[in-house]
Amino acid sequence: EVRLVESGGGLIQPGGSLRLSCAASGFSISTYYMGWVRQAPGKGLESVSILSRDGTSYYADPVRGRFIVSRDNSKNTLYLQMNTVRADDTAVYYCVRDNWYSFDYWGQGALVTVSS
Amino acid sequence: DVVMTQSPLSLPVTLGQPASISCRSSQSLVNSDGNTYLNWFQQRPGQSPRRLIYKVSNRDSGVPDRFSGSGSGTDFTLNISRVEAEDVGIYYCMQGTHWPRTFGQGTKVEIK
Repeated sequence: EVRLVESGGGLIQPGGSLRLSCAASGFSISTYYMGWVRQAPGKGLESVSILSRDGTSYYADPVRGRFIVSRDNSKNTLYLQMNTVRADDTAVYYCVRDNWYSFDYWGQGALVTVSS
Repeated sequence: DVVMTQSPLSLPVTLGQPASISCRSSQSLVNSDGNTYLNWFQQRPGQSPRRLIYKVSNRDSGVPDRFSGSGSGTDFTLNISRVEAEDVGIYYCMQGTHWPRTFGQGTKVEIK
């Protein structure tokens, strides 16, 4: 059974840093594209970042230069390093498996709140 | 970025009646490999999104056959043949052909 479990969310001050983790089970993340999608409170869905099988990373404009996606194949875990966070980064962050240009599995989400 | 526009944004439906959601993209979603990567997701209240349809019309495993997708190029539709109480939620289309993957605004389906 495929499972994605996010952790690391919480309250962080503007300008700070936070790292989200996504522990995958039921498949090997090294053989799939993996990514992050966020949803601000009461709002719609927004792609944040994708990491390809060969390690190429893609970022949406609002986070490019501030967020870094990475993975540890030995731990079967995906990460999102969030730096210089802003109030508009407040959202639930979902870990997703990107399978042929589509997000076929989603985690339960991790809430990140940016506030002083 | 490719803009995805859904309509309507709110859809009150009577139980047992059909429902239809439109999704239009600002540019063609036909990929260089010939496939069209248009997906539909359902987000029930308090839950993570769940994929229903991929590549325009392919239903995911476990998705009831009352859900169907159609369309081509820039115009797509999600149909629910007979709405049931468990279908309440927000439905999103998403294009996967171009980066960044972009979503429609969402259509809220509720029971009248």
